[in-house]
Amino acid sequence: DIQMTQFPSSLSASVGDTVTITCRASQGISNYLAWFQQKPGKAPRSLIYAASSLQSGVPSKFSGSGSGTDFTLTINSLQPEDFATYYCQQYSSYPRTFGQGTNLEIK
Amino acid sequence: QLQLRESGPGLVKPSETLSLTCTVSGGSISSSDYYWAWIRQPPGKGLEWIGAIYYSGSTYYNPSLKSRVSISVDTSKNQFSLKLNSVTAADTAVYYCARDFVVPDFWGQGTLVTVSS
Repeated sequence: DIQMTQFPSSLSASVGDTVTITCRASQGISNYLAWFQQKPGKAPRSLIYAASSLQSGVPSKFSGSGSGTDFTLTINSLQPEDFATYYCQQYSSYPRTFGQGTNLEIK
Repeated sequence: QLQLRESGPGLVKPSETLSLTCTVSGGSISSSDYYWAWIRQPPGKGLEWIGAIYYSGSTYYNPSLKSRVSISVDTSKNQFSLKLNSVTAADTAVYYCARDFVVPDFWGQGTLVTVSS
């Protein structure tokens, strides 16, 4: 299985800040990388696929980059609704695997 | 508007079989574009991909669960189902069904299944 490692595991930031979350794959996955946002008690929401393509309806404040083994999710101008847990997922091979999550908290 | 809804018992006894159904509305499960997936999340923990099925019945499973898991599809009812046998407390989780178009892009609300005697 491909192991996905996210860092940091938690992050404190203020409204208006820009933050970056990193995801590393245990082997090359080309650009087969997705990002999800999850709020407490809710199902995850798909934000980005193919490392950098935004899902329909996702605001452009979210951006993704990377290829191979190293990927980043950047969120610009944080708003209260952006504080949540973020997960990366590889879909280069089965089984699909997720990172352990990054909990983005308000400072 | 596509909707997915999980249904099934919220409490299962250890060693028994967990059975859940996902009902898809607002779209056809027989579309050739999608797989249909099950994903779970133990309380306070991260996401684990369980497996996925195509409308034709082709399946992929997580090897960590493969000996215990089965996913099936009923196109006449626009449903797909999960069975996980010989459950233990470690199988306690919120179980989500999702449409998998490259990645899971539409999710059900999730259903908590507790394994306890």
